[in-house]
Amino acid sequence: EIVLTQSPGTLSLSPGERASLSCRASQSVSSRYLAWYQQKPGQAPRLLIYGASSRATGIPDRFSGSGSGTDFTLTISRLEPEDFAVYHCQHYGSSPLFGGGTKVEIK
Amino acid sequence: EVQLVESGGGLVQPGRSLRLSCAASGFTFGDYAMHWVRQAPGKGLQWVSGISWNSASIVYADSVKGRFTISRDNAKNSLYLQVNSLRPEDTALYYCAKPLTSNWNDAFDLWGQGTMVTVSS
Repeated sequence: EIVLTQSPGTLSLSPGERASLSCRASQSVSSRYLAWYQQKPGQAPRLLIYGASSRATGIPDRFSGSGSGTDFTLTISRLEPEDFAVYHCQHYGSSPLFGGGTKVEIK
Repeated sequence: EVQLVESGGGLVQPGRSLRLSCAASGFTFGDYAMHWVRQAPGKGLQWVSGISWNSASIVYADSVKGRFTISRDNAKNSLYLQVNSLRPEDTALYYCAKPLTSNWNDAFDLWGQGTMVTVSS
């Protein structure tokens, strides 16, 4: 059974800084089936990245995804005030699963 | 408008049942597999169950297998989750979610606002 581990649990940064979020799989997974979501308090998750590196419709280009095998990264090049949120990675295989999430908070 | 609207949640005692519904609009519901995902208060996302476009393929998370039943009615553009033998650990916000394409194995590009299930005596 695959387990997705996200780190760090909380990332404290200032607006304008670069954020790098990690998602590590317990065994190699296809990058074709790796997604990232953003979730703000009281809201449903929003798809940011699918296929490890493809941005979903309407997602700003400051969001980028990379990685392969067991290690995947979501990078936010310059944090905007609206980017402070919780980010979830997902492997959407036959039984989809999610990582535990990373909270990006204002420092 | 493309949207998913869940309903049917509430406060129930352990061991009781609920039927959750998800009404879809703005897209061809019958073309897509659909999924249920839940989120316990202050916790992460947990996939619960998925159903193929024609109901031929159904998969459950181990934690709900034998207690939850997913179904759909394409004529009514609706997805359902029958939740039986509820436990306190089933307390969560239940979302329905649509894949990006008609493939089962795809990211979820459309989510409802969720319906809250609270299991407590």
